[in-house]
Amino acid sequence: GAGVSQSPSNKVTEKGKDVELRCDPISGHTALYWYRQSLGQGLEFLIYFQGNSAPDKSGLPSDRFSAERTGGSVSTLTIQRTQQEDSAVYLCASSSSRLAGAYNEQFFGPGTRLTVL
Amino acid sequence: QQQVKQSPQSLIVQKGGISIINCAYENTAFDYFPWYQQFPGKGPALLIAIRPDVSEKKEGRFTISFNKSAKQFSLHIMDSQPGDSATYFCAASIRTSGSRLTFGEGTQLTVNP
Repeated sequence: GAGVSQSPSNKVTEKGKDVELRCDPISGHTALYWYRQSLGQGLEFLIYFQGNSAPDKSGLPSDRFSAERTGGSVSTLTIQRTQQEDSAVYLCASSSSRLAGAYNEQFFGPGTRLTVL
Repeated sequence: QQQVKQSPQSLIVQKGGISIINCAYENTAFDYFPWYQQFPGKGPALLIAIRPDVSEKKEGRFTISFNKSAKQFSLHIMDSQPGDSATYFCAASIRTSGSRLTFGEGTQLTVNP
């Protein structure tokens, strides 16, 4: 499979617990994005990686949210002390940066559905 | 601040009909406007996209119309099919700012047989 993969596909946790969500981008894709899709709402940008650096983390809703990317590949989104309002589908997307100055299509993974009880 | 507004929220069309979804944006720095299609349990997938120097782009049954002065763009699905039933999102991005996508709220399209 050459697509973006995410794990776990579903995660149920209790309020106050920490969770880690994983994204495996398409091989060779240097750009990686995290979005959040809340029930009945559109997709909300969280953070953008170029390689291992995060030049835009302006969408992270609070300091409970953090993300890292290692080896220019796998990324982990961590939510500490989860709250019920964190319940959503967390989507990861990746794109190449082959075409400088052009729009490089973002390919999305299937998402991780997070439920905070 | 909602930078991309999408309507309608839901749309029901008969097979063979035309589905029309509209979006309006505020930030004139946006320079790329993609449409994404999402089926239940799946991530969004790029359907068609347009740049602001073009007023219309057609790919098969899907057409984007773009009005730069009005800051509006729309998706037309001709000869709509039951298999087109999905949620559609318009989006906008700025290529020089990492191309993060700003999405509309989504339109749930149902095409009845």
